[in-house]
Amino acid sequence: NAGVTQTPKFRILKIGQSMTLQCTQDMNHNYMYWYRQDPGMGLKLIYYSVGAGITDKGEVPNGYNVSRSTTEDFPLRLELAAPSQTSVYFCASSSGRGGYTFGSGTRLTVV
Amino acid sequence: TQLLEQSPQFLSIQEGENLTVYCNSSSVFSSLQWYRQEPGEGPVLLVTVVTGGEVKKLKRLTFQFGDARKDSSLHITAAQPGDTGLYLCALTNTGNQFYFGTGTSLTVIP
Repeated sequence: NAGVTQTPKFRILKIGQSMTLQCTQDMNHNYMYWYRQDPGMGLKLIYYSVGAGITDKGEVPNGYNVSRSTTEDFPLRLELAAPSQTSVYFCASSSGRGGYTFGSGTRLTVV
Repeated sequence: TQLLEQSPQFLSIQEGENLTVYCNSSSVFSSLQWYRQEPGEGPVLLVTVVTGGEVKKLKRLTFQFGDARKDSSLHITAAQPGDTGLYLCALTNTGNQFYFGTGTSLTVIP
């Protein structure tokens, strides 16, 4: 039972580089989310999706982009990495009637 | 934007002690969840509540929700080292987009 799978687990980027954080779920959930977690700041919503082809901004979307071409996948794109994007990123999914299922996170450092 | 506060921010107790952590919102919510997060992992759902005044028990954990649906508490009886982790509350008014508190970091010392 895979649940929500995130890759990579760790990544170091140089300022200005780009990368895609991958997220896939095998529970046929319509709702998917990207959060970032910084020490003492809790989880902040970056983007979310209510179904394939539909995405919307959360609290902190600047510097990120997402796409949802399939129900299973919800990649998060960083185009020009900045030190302020150093964080732990969590992907989550939900059926819409219960709690979230989270992935194990991607720890990103921008230097 | 919902204002969601959790207290205390940090808590360190001896094994066997009881503890209570709190979650308070600036406004009424329709649904609230509690999660526990262990280091290096994502949060794991503990409970969901939707009814004001509701009390739910999960083994040694008791979750209570205020009648006004603006606050919640989590009480742990006879804490064990395995209870160590970050406890997060999350609330929603839309049903599918949750706002998270900053969490209570609990350490249970053997």
